[in-house]
Amino acid sequence: KAGVTQTPRYLIKTRGQQVTLSCSPISGHRSVSWYQQTPGQGLQFLFEYFSETQRNKGNFPGRFSGRQFSNSRSEMNVSTLELGDSALYLCASSLAAGENSPLHFGNGTRLTVT
Amino acid sequence: GESVGLHLPTLSVQEGDNSIINCAYSNSASDYFIWYKQESGKGPQFIIDIRSNMDKRQGQRVTVLLNKTVKHLSLQIAATQPGDSAVYFCAENWAGGYQKVTFGTGTKLQVIP
Repeated sequence: KAGVTQTPRYLIKTRGQQVTLSCSPISGHRSVSWYQQTPGQGLQFLFEYFSETQRNKGNFPGRFSGRQFSNSRSEMNVSTLELGDSALYLCASSLAAGENSPLHFGNGTRLTVT
Repeated sequence: GESVGLHLPTLSVQEGDNSIINCAYSNSASDYFIWYKQESGKGPQFIIDIRSNMDKRQGQRVTVLLNKTVKHLSLQIAATQPGDSAVYFCAENWAGGYQKVTFGTGTKLQVIP
């Protein structure tokens, strides 16, 4: 079974721009979560989607948004980029079939904002 | 002000020895706990999980111990190998939180050949 796929692998953007990151979950997984990883803050939860609905949201500003499609693929968008948005953005999928199940992560998108 | 990077605790272990990585979790309502391994340039990789109705679970060369009284979790790696060198994260979740998993700050494991 193919793992979680994230594209692109690397991105360089300038302040004020916006960016869209893509995630394809493991086949059959309906939950997709997004995390931001930085040396300063570690792994921080952004949001989680299940069946195209956002079920949970972390403490990030409204510039961070996401969506999930009917095939469970997900995208996240960051608008009006700031230098502090430079990070590794990780997507994870899970079965989430009613009780807790482990997250399976992709290798992330490394975003650099200059 | 200037942000300060997280200082990851480091555990150095001789190859072949056993490793024990500890973690304190924060939410007494958490009922599901997971250990992840993250190698450089990769996303976290699931190692083993345990539910709150258990206090010990074993996998291949790994054992997780859960002490709910003191909110403590540990990961034991038997016969540590160079390939075990990575950052290890504990994570917690609770049934009412869907998949809003909270991660610890991580421990860097260095295996000395």
